[in-house]
Amino acid sequence: DTAVSQTPKYLVTQMGNDKSIKCEQNLGHDTMYWYKQDSKKFLKIMFSYNNKELIINETVPNRFSPKSPDKAHLNLHINSLELGDSAVYFCASSQGGSSAFFGQGTRLTVV
Amino acid sequence: GENVEQHPSTLSVQEGDSAVIKCTYSDSASNYFPWYKQELGKGPQLIIDIRSNVGEKKDQRIAVTLNKTAKHFSLHITETQPEDSAVYFCAASGGGTSYGKLTFGQGTILTVHP
Repeated sequence: DTAVSQTPKYLVTQMGNDKSIKCEQNLGHDTMYWYKQDSKKFLKIMFSYNNKELIINETVPNRFSPKSPDKAHLNLHINSLELGDSAVYFCASSQGGSSAFFGQGTRLTVV
Repeated sequence: GENVEQHPSTLSVQEGDSAVIKCTYSDSASNYFPWYKQELGKGPQLIIDIRSNVGEKKDQRIAVTLNKTAKHFSLHITETQPEDSAVYFCAASGGGTSYGKLTFGQGTILTVHP
């Protein structure tokens, strides 16, 4: 009974392709996030959704489009993938001012 | 926006020694400071957190201290064990309209030698 689950765990794709990463949380949290971890392990927020509404968009290229069909799901779609998009993408969730719980990550490799 | 600096970037200790990791933050409105441990191939896992109305918090071998005036907070691990080896991240949250957004430090690679 994983709290925050992401699929797929690994994703290898060619430049120019479009891909999606899915995230689901079963914690009943209202807020979900996408974070990007680069090759130097630096973690940076990309998006935040609260009750299906986008509330944070941290200057992420328009090629990245999050979608939240309900408060338990937050998917990330990436168009026209570039080499620089290679990273580990983490989904997380939290409730109010509580701690954020992270998924296991999706390692995206663009070749 | 918030900026979090974390030091050292790598830390190597012998089993049984203590380890200390320090972070500073820039936004005086930040009020929540979690610490995460990330093992290889896994997501960050919360190990301890502290809020701005508390100066110190302890959980078994792990403790965190917060100095709001100086805007810095530290993680202390006592009696380190090889399984403590991982990357540790500090983070800050809660300032203004952050909506729970975490700003992370750069991470510290802790290696505990048996």
